[in-house]
Amino acid sequence: GIQVEQSPPDLILQEGANSTLRCNFSDSVNNLQWFHQNPWGQLINLFYIPSGTKQNGRLSATTVATERYSLLYISSSQTTDSGVYFCAVDIQGAQKLVFGQGTRLTINP
Amino acid sequence: NAGVTQTPKFRILKIGQSMTLQCTQDMNHNYMYWYRQDPGMGLKLIYYSVGAGITDKGEVPNGYNVSRSTTEDFPLRLELAAPSQTSVYFCASSTFGTQYFGPGTRLTVL
Repeated sequence: GIQVEQSPPDLILQEGANSTLRCNFSDSVNNLQWFHQNPWGQLINLFYIPSGTKQNGRLSATTVATERYSLLYISSSQTTDSGVYFCAVDIQGAQKLVFGQGTRLTINP
Repeated sequence: NAGVTQTPKFRILKIGQSMTLQCTQDMNHNYMYWYRQDPGMGLKLIYYSVGAGITDKGEVPNGYNVSRSTTEDFPLRLELAAPSQTSVYFCASSTFGTQYFGPGTRLTVL
């Protein structure tokens, strides 16, 4: 099956710093999404981005489908950005997502 | 809209007991999903449904069953609970490629 690898596994930053999270996948995908799981466990969809670039406030994402990777950028980090960021992909349709292991981001004040 | 709701929030089961995790969405989404998340791991798909009356297995279906009699509801049944089913269970629904998750049910099997 498809492999989804995220890096780095852990990232600790000071408030105000910028960060880049990476997601590599082993096959062509129909769907790629980025999620944020907050410290209380809630999963929030950040981006649906099978290709191209999108921005939402301080967050932006880029997927280069031909090279099988996606990047999530977080600028001017805030403590509320802490949590685990997951990349998930779908190759078969029906939006059956395969998740990566996540990147745990800790933003210190 | 309440979005995706799940009950209960927490549950402790004894080995061999059965239970049903409830999931309801009010967004009229055709696609619904059940995932489990083990500690420190990503989510794994248990079952999914593309519409009322249609369900199919995901990556880790053993020990679980589902039904989808209405668009809104997608319950997950655990028969003969085992310690390996200790996990956090998430229900989700989707439209236009974007999945929306419920708050999760934390299940412990002792």
